[in-house]
Amino acid sequence: DAGVIQSPRHEVTEMGQEVTLRCKPISGHNSLFWYRQTMMRGLELLIYFNNNVPIDDSGMPEDRFSAKMPNASFSTLKIQPSEPRDSAVYFCASSLYEWEDQPQHFGDGTRLSIL
Amino acid sequence: DQQVKQNSPSLSVQEGRISILNCDYTNSMFDYFLWYKKYPAEGPTFLISISSIKDKNEDGRFTVFLNKSAKHLSLHIVPSQPGDSAVYFCAARFGNEKLTFGTGTRLTIIP
Repeated sequence: DAGVIQSPRHEVTEMGQEVTLRCKPISGHNSLFWYRQTMMRGLELLIYFNNNVPIDDSGMPEDRFSAKMPNASFSTLKIQPSEPRDSAVYFCASSLYEWEDQPQHFGDGTRLSIL
Repeated sequence: DQQVKQNSPSLSVQEGRISILNCDYTNSMFDYFLWYKKYPAEGPTFLISISSIKDKNEDGRFTVFLNKSAKHLSLHIVPSQPGDSAVYFCAARFGNEKLTFGTGTRLTIIP
């Protein structure tokens, strides 16, 4: 079975540019999560969707960040304009249900570098 | 404010010995705890979990212990193997609230 698929794996861009990260969750999973990993704060939840509807975006750092889930098989995380402090590894994860005992399945992440 | 803390950024253990990874939390309402394992250039993978109604859960070489009074969680790996070298994240949750992760501990198993 295919796992969570993220693209691109690596992104290097200049400050001020728009960045779009993409995620394809596991087929049949109803919940999708976007995380950011940094050395200082570990894994932080940015936003999560349940049945394509955003449920909690309280972790989104600021208005420069936005996320969409137009259908059950695709989600995007967009940063516009990007800043050097946005450099991190961004993970997408999916699970069968929202917060029940089903473990989340993570993609391999997108390593983002903003110059 | 870090509600889940992994105070040891790294740990080295001899192959065959026991690895003990620790995690402390501040929110006494947390009722479900998980450990994830992460290899370089890969996403975290679920390892083991424990509900707050238990104090121990075992799965093969991996055992998680929960001490609610001390707000402390630990993961024991016995015996440690080279393939266990990875970053380990603990995570905690209250009810249907979101998962809160620690900052991770890098475990290195020395052959």
